[in-house]
Parts: sequence; C-alpha cells; structure tokens
Amino acid sequence: AAGVIQSPRHLIKEKRETATLKCYPISRHDTVYWYQQGPGQDPQFLISFYEKMQSDKGSIPDRFSAQQFSDYHSELNMSSLELGDSALYFCASSRPTSGGLNTGELFFGEGSRLTVL
Amino acid sequence: DAKTTQPTSMDCAEGRAANLPCNHSTISGNEYVYWYRQIHSQGPQYIIHGLKNNETNEMASLIITEDRKSSTLILPHATLRDTAVYYCIVRVNQAGTALIFGKGTTLSVSS
Repeated sequence: AAGVIQSPRHLIKEKRETATLKCYPISRHDTVYWYQQGPGQDPQFLISFYEKMQSDKGSIPDRFSAQQFSDYHSELNMSSLELGDSALYFCASSRPTSGGLNTGELFFGEGSRLTVL
Repeated sequence: DAKTTQPTSMDCAEGRAANLPCNHSTISGNEYVYWYRQIHSQGPQYIIHGLKNNETNEMASLIITEDRKSSTLILPHATLRDTAVYYCIVRVNQAGTALIFGKGTTLSVSS
C-alpha cells in the first residue's frame, strides 16, 4: 500500500519568497500532522488536522499557515521565508478509530527538504 | 504532555538485546507511552506503544513499570539497521493530538 506522499521532495527558495508543501495521507487516514526538523534537531510539531479541522497547534510561526482539504490532503504554506526556515518538513497521517480516538501510530512521509538562500 | 527523560546515547553489539530506558514520572493516567525511532534523515517510524501492560510486536517489546513512571524498550536481537535515534513519548490517545518529540537516545549498533 502507498505511504504518505509529500511533494516536492526538494525545494530551494530565496529569502522573503513563499513556498507551499503538499501532503497526501494514506488512504482513509483522516488526521494529518506537520513537523519541522532543522539540522541536528529533533522533529518539532507544527500543526495537526483531524477531519479537516485544526486539531492541535505547536510552534508554527505566524508566517506559516496550513489546511486540510475535503480529500484529506494537506498543504503547508510558508511566506516571508527566512534562512532559519531551512529544514526537513515531515507530514504524517493516522487512521481513525471509534470515538475520536486513534492508536497514536503516525505514518510519516519521506519529508520535503526546504533550503532558503 | 508529560516530559520524558532518556539517556543521550547507548551502544549495543550486533545480535545482542538493546534495552532503552525512559523515565516519565509525571505521566497522567490517560497517557500512553509511545516509542518511535528515526534513522538518519528519514521520517520517524512507529515502534510500539502501551498504557500499563507490557506489549510485544514483531519489532520490539515494551516493559512498563507498575507505577508507570518508567518504561524500557527492548530490541531482542539488535542489527546494524537498528542504529537510530529512539524517542520515548507520552501522549493521550486522541485523534489529532500532537506527538511531541523530545531528546531521544542515539543507539549505535556495532559488529
């Protein structure tokens, strides 16, 4: 079965430009999570969506926004890019269980590497 | 979420069991213990999780103390491919709730 698909895999931008990352969750997964991982750092949680509604919010800068669409794919929009935004961006999805619970088993994509010059 | 404490690094000989400890002394009654690992620059990979009972799957075993204040992940026969950063995370079992990665343990398996 196909895993979480992220695009593009690599992206190079200049400072102050904008970038959009896309995430296609595993079929029938209803929850999407976004993480940022800088060089030598641990993954930092940015934001999550459950059934197309924002569910949890972490250290996402105000310059970033995200949404989950009706087909459950998600996009992370980043504006006014800074050198410090250079990082691996991971998307993860999880499948539903009953009553708004889930197993906590997140399936991660291979990541999108953003380089800001 | 409750904070976890793990050793910064551990070494293990190939073929031996790797026992990775984690302290989570402030864990709440409704929080589960999750273990993930990340092989260099790949997406984190789920290993196992549990609430209070010991758990085993094809990858590993999870031993949770009776007071739930600590746990141990056991890789029964470590291989070179198990070299990774291992994260112990506590989290409520609710859809959309963030999985917060702290400072994990870098496990180095050598031949």
